[in-house]
Order: sequence, then structure tokens, then C-alpha cells
Amino acid sequence: DVKVTQSSRYLVKRTGEKVFLECVQDMDHENMFWYRQDPGLGLRLIYFSYDVKMKEKGDIPEGYSVSREKKERFSLILESASTNQTSMYLCASWTPGLEKLFFGSGTQLSVL
Amino acid sequence: AQSVTQPDIHITVSEGASLELRCNYSYGATPYLFWYVQSPGQGLQLLLKYFSGDTLVQGIKGFEAEFKRSQSSFNLRKPSVHWSDAAEYFCAVGLAGTASKLTFGTGTRLQVTL
Repeated sequence: DVKVTQSSRYLVKRTGEKVFLECVQDMDHENMFWYRQDPGLGLRLIYFSYDVKMKEKGDIPEGYSVSREKKERFSLILESASTNQTSMYLCASWTPGLEKLFFGSGTQLSVL
Repeated sequence: AQSVTQPDIHITVSEGASLELRCNYSYGATPYLFWYVQSPGQGLQLLLKYFSGDTLVQGIKGFEAEFKRSQSSFNLRKPSVHWSDAAEYFCAVGLAGTASKLTFGTGTRLQVTL
């Protein structure tokens, strides 16, 4: 199976800090995604990328940016963290052929 | 833009009882449809998917789902629920040409009583 690794399981940051969430997949996939999961709201797409150096806004990109310098790594950046960005962040990689998203285990971010 | 509705926020069933979780989508053409499960403390796992062909699809863990175009629905079913099925279930839709970019529903939390 594809392995999607998110660098931190839990993260606590202060308001105004710049936050980096890292995601690495081990299968040379082109399509990678960042979602946030909130109770009652399900998963909402923040950003996605179809290749190196490419990025596309999802449904809720405000306050976020991304970086894809290498195919296996897709980083989510919170430029200036705010309390309303406290959430579970999920990275996913799309497996062509199997036609499915593989998800990382998530990063629970708390912004104080 | 496509959208997905899961009308049931929380469902409780007894172990051994049958289960149906509802999912409705909004999209003009036939979408690609998925069901994912998230067990407590675990990541999301694909249960099953529908792209085309037979409208009744079988998945893992004894789940199945039926695509009904006339009702814009893709309901998930299981004939006999096990306590280990307690989890949150998400329906998702992708579009032709961008199947990997999924829109998820808000989820249904399943509780199983013994």
C-alpha cells in the first residue's frame, strides 16, 4: 500500500506563528491534496497539486499556502496562524490505477 | 460545483442489525462516488467506489452501495453490523476528468450497541 506520512501527529502553536505541515508519499504520485477536518463540517479541500511546482486552490484556501518542490513532498503553510485554524489536517495522495485517495494519519493542530 | 449531502449526523444500531447510511449528491453528469470510513484514532480508509457499470458495488468489510441515478443517491448498506463498524463514514464525489479532487460530505457517525 501507499504510505502517506505526515510529520507531526499533534502540534501546538501560538497565534501569529508561521506553521509548516509536511506530507510525504512514497509512490511517486502526481496528485496530492490537503484537507482540513472539523466536526460537523466533514473534510474540506484547502489546496491541491497535480505536479511539482503546480498548485491549485481548493474550497477554503484563505490563510494557507502550499509548496511542492519535489514530487513526493507537499507542504501546507499557515502564514500567520489564527485560532480558527485549529483543526485536524489531512494530507492525501491519489493512486492512479487503483483510483483512490490514500490519506495520512493527520496532524491535529491547536493554535492558542 | 458538485456537493454531497449526508442527512444523518449520527446513527445508532444494534449489533447484528442491518445498516443503511444515506448519501445524496448534486452534479449534472454521472459523478465518481466513494465511501470512506474513519475509525477512532485512525486514518480514512476507502470502503468502496463507483465509476461506471453495475450500479451495485461491493466493498471491503461486507459493505455495499447502490448508485441510483434517478435519486442522485449512493447509499451505503451492510446486512449485519459488527461492533467494530463503529466509526465515522464519509461519502465523497469526484468529477469526470478530475476524479481525484473529491468533495466530501459532512459525515455520519455510527454507534453500535451490544
